[in-house]
Amino acid sequence: DAKTTQPPSMDCAEGRAANLPCNHSTISGNEYVYWYRQIHSQGPQYIIHGLKNNETNEMASLIITEDRKSSTLILPHATLRDTAVYYCIVRVASGSARQLTFGSGTQLTVLP
Amino acid sequence: SQTIHQWPATLVQPVGSPLSLECTVEGTSNPNLYWYRQAAGRGLQLLFYSVGIGQISSEVPQNLSASRPQDRQFILSSKKLLLSDSGFYLCAWSAGRNEKLFFGSGTQLSVL
Repeated sequence: DAKTTQPPSMDCAEGRAANLPCNHSTISGNEYVYWYRQIHSQGPQYIIHGLKNNETNEMASLIITEDRKSSTLILPHATLRDTAVYYCIVRVASGSARQLTFGSGTQLTVLP
Repeated sequence: SQTIHQWPATLVQPVGSPLSLECTVEGTSNPNLYWYRQAAGRGLQLLFYSVGIGQISSEVPQNLSASRPQDRQFILSSKKLLLSDSGFYLCAWSAGRNEKLFFGSGTQLSVL
């Protein structure tokens, strides 16, 4: 699986959009981009994933660049409860039982 | 709906004592099951995963073992705990090999 690079920490004002970047310059054509988040002392929570098209769900939007070498997770109106570590992961979609590898992620702190 | 149960939430064990952490999934059949460990302030490390009863793959050599005696039951064990086994242990499941992961609430293990 391709490796990802994320900033270690970010701050965001409550009510504003939080834009979390992720670089995955070695991503291959069959690898998906997944985002998870982990609130302190809890298990990670799935947020969203995509292959090459932008995706949106009730939690967030995922913007993937045309060359797929980077992506941005957007929380449109951040709340204090969005404070968490956000993990960007790329994963091959193959026939093997591969697993997600979680790096260090980005600690997002939403400020009141 | 599917749910994952993991217990206990916290555990304090002396060095050299045995360990057994249990994880069960409800509401689905033939899930892929995973055990992760997270050291304080670090990312998640995959320990074991299973695609079926009795089928266990180990990702890293260690003092731990895993078993899957039933379709929706995954057990993490150790015969003799080490100080380095301390950490936050997370069980997870997925519906298929490339599906998103759903995590349990985790067990905070302290080995003293």
